[in-house]
Amino acid sequence: DTGVSQDPRHKITKRGQNVTFRCDPISEHNRLYWYRQTLGQGPEFLTYFQNEAQLEKSRLLSDRFSAERPKGSFSTLEIQRTEQGDSAMYLCASSLSGSSNQPQHFGDGTRLSIL
Amino acid sequence: GQQVMQIPQYQHVQEGEDFTTYCNSSTTLSNIQWYKQRPGGHPVFLIQLVKSGEVKKQKRLTFQFGEAKKNSSLHITATQTTDVGTYFCAGMKEYGGSQGNLIFGKGTKLSVKP
Repeated sequence: DTGVSQDPRHKITKRGQNVTFRCDPISEHNRLYWYRQTLGQGPEFLTYFQNEAQLEKSRLLSDRFSAERPKGSFSTLEIQRTEQGDSAMYLCASSLSGSSNQPQHFGDGTRLSIL
Repeated sequence: GQQVMQIPQYQHVQEGEDFTTYCNSSTTLSNIQWYKQRPGGHPVFLIQLVKSGEVKKQKRLTFQFGEAKKNSSLHITATQTTDVGTYFCAGMKEYGGSQGNLIFGKGTKLSVKP
């Protein structure tokens, strides 16, 4: 049983650079979520997809952030012109869709450090 | 906007003692989920509560959803060192909420002294 896979696990980059993260959800899950988590905080919702459609974006998601899920399978999250405040763990989760909330299965995350 | 508050932020217990974390929302929730995150790990789904006043048990863990669907609690009986981690509640607004926007609390970090 393969879970949610995220790549890379760690990313260190200089301020101003662009970074892209990838998430591969559980294969039968049609919903995919991106969260950001900083130390001592719970995951903060960024955006989610149902199949290839991006259905909601948080106000936290500035115009420097863009997420795609072109074929309804894997997803990418790109951050342009990174800033110090972007340093965080970026978590991806996936779930089935249904009439009520379904459990979300999280990946191990990508830890981003901005120098 | 909607907020989900959790208390306490930290809890240190002796192995064998009980532990409780409380979750309160500023708005009525359609349901609430609980997750556990071990140090260095990712959140792992524990349970979902949907009905007003619902109580569910998983071995030593007891979860409750308040009658007004604005609060919830997780109680662990006779803690073990394997219970160490941060416990998060996460809720969805009952009215005007989306299917994806799960709001997490800040979590309660549990440490257990053997």
